[in-house]
Amino acid sequence: DAMVIQNPRYQVTQFGKPVTLSCSQTLNHNVMYWYQQKSSQAPKLLFHYYDKDFNNEADTPDNFQSRRPNTSFCFLDIRSPGLGDAAMYLCATSRVRASGGDEQYFGPGTRLTVT
Amino acid sequence: QQPVQSPQAVILREGEDAVINCSSSKALYSVHWYRQKHGEAPVFLMILLKGGEQKGHEKISASFNEKKQQSSLYLTASQLSYSGTYFCGTPNSGYSTLTFGKGTMLLVSP
Repeated sequence: DAMVIQNPRYQVTQFGKPVTLSCSQTLNHNVMYWYQQKSSQAPKLLFHYYDKDFNNEADTPDNFQSRRPNTSFCFLDIRSPGLGDAAMYLCATSRVRASGGDEQYFGPGTRLTVT
Repeated sequence: QQPVQSPQAVILREGEDAVINCSSSKALYSVHWYRQKHGEAPVFLMILLKGGEQKGHEKISASFNEKKQQSSLYLTASQLSYSGTYFCGTPNSGYSTLTFGKGTMLLVSP
């Protein structure tokens, strides 16, 4: 019973060719997060939504955009992928904000390769 | 600010114990622990809240010293399934999100 679903699991794109990663959840959680994780590194938060309220991290490149059309779905758009954007992209959800003491549920991730 | 984890890596034999530490330079209201197996997503283990409340895994214990701004994760009688990378996460200003430490890689061998 998948709760956080990410599609596709593997994505190969060409340098500079826009790509969209998708995330859906069946938990009806208010908060959705997008993380970038490179090999042997910690997940790095790109942005998050609290309901429809979008919050961008200060160091997230403008190349990365996000949309959340409804509670269940969230998209990550990379407008012009560079070789340095190759990574695992993780979507996560939580019922409330981190201070509320709720865990984050992670999807299986999308591994992005840029050629 | 990223919390600091130690050690960076631990190698154990099955049945041995391990302690993973997480420390922060700022006041902590909670500490979150996750485990990530190779090629998989992080999985929630535990949250420790200011005041002593804990939520999470029944077979894993942890401590949270608010004054020292530290948390430790105790893995006792380790099993092969404990292998993976352990991340601690601490809330950011505004308490909306987490910043994860660099992780501690744990390898349990037979």
